[in-house]
Amino acid sequence: GQQLNQSPQSMFIQEGEDVSMNCTSSSIFNTWLWYKQDPGEGPVLLIALYKAGELTSNGRLTAQFGITRKDSFLNISASIPSDVGIYFCAGPRDKLTFGKGTLLTVNP
Amino acid sequence: GAVVSQHPSWVICKSGTSVKIECRSLDFQATTMFWYRQFPKQSLMLMATSNEGSKATYEQGVEKDKFLINHASLTLSTLTVTSAHPEDSSFYICSASGTSYETQYFGPGTRLLVL
Repeated sequence: GQQLNQSPQSMFIQEGEDVSMNCTSSSIFNTWLWYKQDPGEGPVLLIALYKAGELTSNGRLTAQFGITRKDSFLNISASIPSDVGIYFCAGPRDKLTFGKGTLLTVNP
Repeated sequence: GAVVSQHPSWVICKSGTSVKIECRSLDFQATTMFWYRQFPKQSLMLMATSNEGSKATYEQGVEKDKFLINHASLTLSTLTVTSAHPEDSSFYICSASGTSYETQYFGPGTRLLVL
């Protein structure tokens, strides 16, 4: 089946720092989605990307759809404690496939 | 935005009993609902896809007789874990979509613990 390779697996940062994570695939996707999951909750959609090369922002979050359509990046600027959680990339094909997630910890 | 609810939020049951989990789309009609399972520190794995009024489509390796799915209306889908065993303990999350499966709205999840 489809696999999305997400890195890093986890990150420990200080409040105020910027964060970058990425997702790669061996297959082309026409859409890239980024979700955040808080502990004990379901995922919440952060950003959706629909076009190769697209750069989209949502507040302090910025995501890019790679030109090759095989990768995507998510950046978080000026991190705050409530950014803690697991961030998943996801790509839809015949079904929605999730990456393994990046666990973000922000130290105040 | 679209809201999806799940009930119960957590359940503890004895081995061998059955547990029903409800998934509701509160402010939109969901043509399709999805059921996922998530083990600790792992990603979401799709279990099955259900369309209103049709039989659910199960992913490879998911036993349809053990995980019964009913999608009787455009706002409600249920997942019944039959004869639950400790290895069924997991976080079960549903999602709902309207016209496109790419846009899925997730419920808050149900944590199942089988003793």
